[in-house]
Amino acid sequence: AQSVAQPEDQVNVAEGNPLTVKCTYSVSGNPYLFWYVQYPNRGLQFLLKYITGDNLVKGSYGFEAEFNKSQTSFHLKKPSALVSDSALYFCAVRDGDTGFQKLVFGTGTRLLVSP
Amino acid sequence: DAGVTQSPTHLIKTRGQQVTLRCSPKSGHDTVSWYQQALGQGPQFIFQYYEEEERQRGNFPDRFSGHQFPNYSSELNVNALLLGDSALYLCASSSTTGLAATDTQYFGPGTRLTVL
Repeated sequence: AQSVAQPEDQVNVAEGNPLTVKCTYSVSGNPYLFWYVQYPNRGLQFLLKYITGDNLVKGSYGFEAEFNKSQTSFHLKKPSALVSDSALYFCAVRDGDTGFQKLVFGTGTRLLVSP
Repeated sequence: DAGVTQSPTHLIKTRGQQVTLRCSPKSGHDTVSWYQQALGQGPQFIFQYYEEEERQRGNFPDRFSGHQFPNYSSELNVNALLLGDSALYLCASSSTTGLAATDTQYFGPGTRLTVL
């Protein structure tokens, strides 16, 4: 069975500072990993994914994430935070060895960027 | 290019009633997945439809059922509504076959269901 842990309910960072939102995962097969962002009263917006290849993946709006197989982690990062980055961030995993696309999500991390 | 659309935006029902939610996938996508997001939680997988059949199902009771039409749009039906069914219901589309095959699921804005 797959699972995702996002250990921080909330991350606070000042605008212009780097940010990290943590994610660890568990999956029996090959991990496919995703980050989504959710703004108030909205659906989920895709940011980036890791399927295979380079461990550092770049996504939308300047976000990137690093896949670490030994630590089973997929932390989301951004070099310089913006106030508009304030939102709810979800990490998700699926088992890449199956043909099914079921995503298992973490509980989310609220990012607050102060001016 | 239209993204994933869902209707209605909001819905209020009473316990015991039945509800139908609708989803149109992103152009070129043939697979639709439904998720339930309770307040303060991450989305939980309900089921996935491909080629008009339920391909995979999460841990939800039979009160939750669905359908996919030949144009790839989908419906989620919930019978005998309970207070605990109050949530944001999200539809996601992706492509399983052909040149548009993608591992990425794109989500619609959701339907907010309130059960009184």
